[in-house]
Amino acid sequence: GQQLNQSPQSMFIQEGEDVSMNCTSSSIFNTWLWYKQEPGEGPVLLIALYKAGELTSNGRLTAQFGITRKDSFLNISASIPSDVGIYFCAASPTSGTYKYIFGTGTRLKVLA
Amino acid sequence: DSGVTQTPKHLITATGQRVTLRCSPRSGDLSVYWYQQSLDQGLQFLIQYYNGEERAKGNILERFSAQQFPDLHSELNLSSLELGDSALYFCASSVAGAGEQYFGPGTRLTVT
Repeated sequence: GQQLNQSPQSMFIQEGEDVSMNCTSSSIFNTWLWYKQEPGEGPVLLIALYKAGELTSNGRLTAQFGITRKDSFLNISASIPSDVGIYFCAASPTSGTYKYIFGTGTRLKVLA
Repeated sequence: DSGVTQTPKHLITATGQRVTLRCSPRSGDLSVYWYQQSLDQGLQFLIQYYNGEERAKGNILERFSAQQFPDLHSELNLSSLELGDSALYFCASSVAGAGEQYFGPGTRLTVT
């Protein structure tokens, strides 16, 4: 079945550093969503991407919809302690479909 | 606050029992999605309703069922509960049948 490979699984970084994570698949997708989840809480939508090649920012976060439609990237610039959490990508395989596949998450820990 | 509400926040019950989880979508959203998240795992899509009708099904067990009512709130029924059903259950909603999904705070189910 369709799978999203999200990497890295976890990362420790120093405050102020930039962070990059990605989701890849062998399947083509029409929509990519990026979420952040903190312990015991629901995922919070960060960025939505709808078009191949699209680059979208939300504050210090920037995400891109890969040109092949098989991958997406999320970058966080100048990380701060409150960036700690698990970041999930989610992708929708075909236009108008209602099912999203979620990646396994990247656990981010920021060292002050 | 995403605008999606879920009750109860915590639920502890015994094996073999039945429980009902409730979700109210954001105002104006017609679609409701249910997800299961086991400890340190990703989000597994269970089922989606759109304007009262089932639209998509994921890995939902036969012991589980859901419905969406005319006022658009949804309930997820879990029966013959097993220890392995212990998890966080999230509801998400979206305006239409696809696009951005907004998650509720979740219900933590513990089966003892």
